[in-house]
Amino acid sequence: QKEVEQDPGPLSVPEGAIVSLNCTYSNSAFQYFMWYRQYSRKGPELLMYTYSSGNKEDGRFTAQVDKSSKYISLFIRDSQPSDSATYLCAAFSGSARQLTFGSGTQLTVLP
Amino acid sequence: GAGVSQTPSNKVTEKGKYVELRCDPISGHTALYWYRQSLGQGPEFLIYFQGTGAADDSGLPNDRFFAVRPEGSVSTLKIQRTERGDSAVYLCASSPGVGDGYTFGSGTRLTVV
Repeated sequence: QKEVEQDPGPLSVPEGAIVSLNCTYSNSAFQYFMWYRQYSRKGPELLMYTYSSGNKEDGRFTAQVDKSSKYISLFIRDSQPSDSATYLCAAFSGSARQLTFGSGTQLTVLP
Repeated sequence: GAGVSQTPSNKVTEKGKYVELRCDPISGHTALYWYRQSLGQGPEFLIYFQGTGAADDSGLPNDRFFAVRPEGSVSTLKIQRTERGDSAVYLCASSPGVGDGYTFGSGTRLTVV
């Protein structure tokens, strides 16, 4: 079992829809959680960075972490065609320096 | 520079050859990471540098892989006796310090034929 599991999709939604992307993790030591967006043939770009449980909002994006259920979510409001990309969740503990990534969810927002 | 720079962007090599992949991190970033991303997968950790030293190389798949960062800035990932299974995108990232968000480069797409 991978330490971070992510539904690979693909996910296709109409423009303006609310998108929900989800991951689960198994390592209780994870304390830091991130969401990256990756366009085709580009490196991952950091979208959201949260510590421990709770919500964090940045514009149209909201990240949620529920440590009790080991569940990570990213919500995108008013989705745009430019949001079409692969979204990667990632986590790391304070002691280990490397990020552990999910496999990514491919999102397409249709105009 | 403004971002993490990786060269070359694409590399095609024959099985058994030696390759070097270069990463130029953001100026002043002390932490540097190498990841490998296969098609349809998330990046997988290879090695992490804090300054000049390899703080964690537990992700290197075998002794054909080696990385250096001699002056604490530019890093080179070296792969000896390449195999077809080494084909992937090799990503480099840097961060101001441990625990900060990474900035990734666009990667080097390695194809071993």
